[in-house]
Amino acid sequence: ELKVEQNPLFLSMQEGKNYTIYCNYSTTSDRLYWYRQDPGKSLESLFVLLSNGAVKQEGRLMASLDTKARLSTLHITAAVHDLSATYFCAVTYSGGGADGLTFGKGTHLIIQP
Amino acid sequence: NAGVTQTPKFQVLKTGQSMTLQCAQDMNHEYMSWYRQDPGMGLRLIHYSVGAGITDQGEVPNGYNVSRSTTEDFPLRLLSAAPSQTSVYFCASRFQGYTEAFFGQGTRLTVV
Repeated sequence: ELKVEQNPLFLSMQEGKNYTIYCNYSTTSDRLYWYRQDPGKSLESLFVLLSNGAVKQEGRLMASLDTKARLSTLHITAAVHDLSATYFCAVTYSGGGADGLTFGKGTHLIIQP
Repeated sequence: NAGVTQTPKFQVLKTGQSMTLQCAQDMNHEYMSWYRQDPGMGLRLIHYSVGAGITDQGEVPNGYNVSRSTTEDFPLRLLSAAPSQTSVYFCASRFQGYTEAFFGQGTRLTVV
């Protein structure tokens, strides 16, 4: 059974600070996703990571993937209030014709002035 | 190009009633899936489809049925609603291969 653990589940930080969200998964997966969700809204795709050592950056967010450690990180640089949201990582196993994402429980991020 | 469209946005049901949550996508995606989101639980996969006529169960399929007669539509049916099915339901679609999934706006369902 594929399990995904995120930590921390809740994070309050100040603007201008750096922080990292961690995502561990239990079995081999061929894709890892990061999504953002604002309160009462849908999920917005941030990154798709496909291979070991993959690193992607968009603005103040950078995601990386270590498939050997089954670990992905989402790093926030010089946080701003607009990045306050819940962040989810999700993995999928597409072997044998299966599909669908297994999500972590999410990291609720609050960035205070 | 509307993306993934879910209807209705809100629904209140009485215990035992049945209903269908609609999901349609106009991106010609082969893969579609349904999730439920509960506080503190993240999103959990209910059912998925890898093409018209092909569906399979996810992590929490009990109490839900699906069918996929066309590429565009993937309705989720609640056979006999229970309070435990109170949740926010999301539909998603994507192309085959190593691609991102696009999510609809969600349906907030309350069963009383």
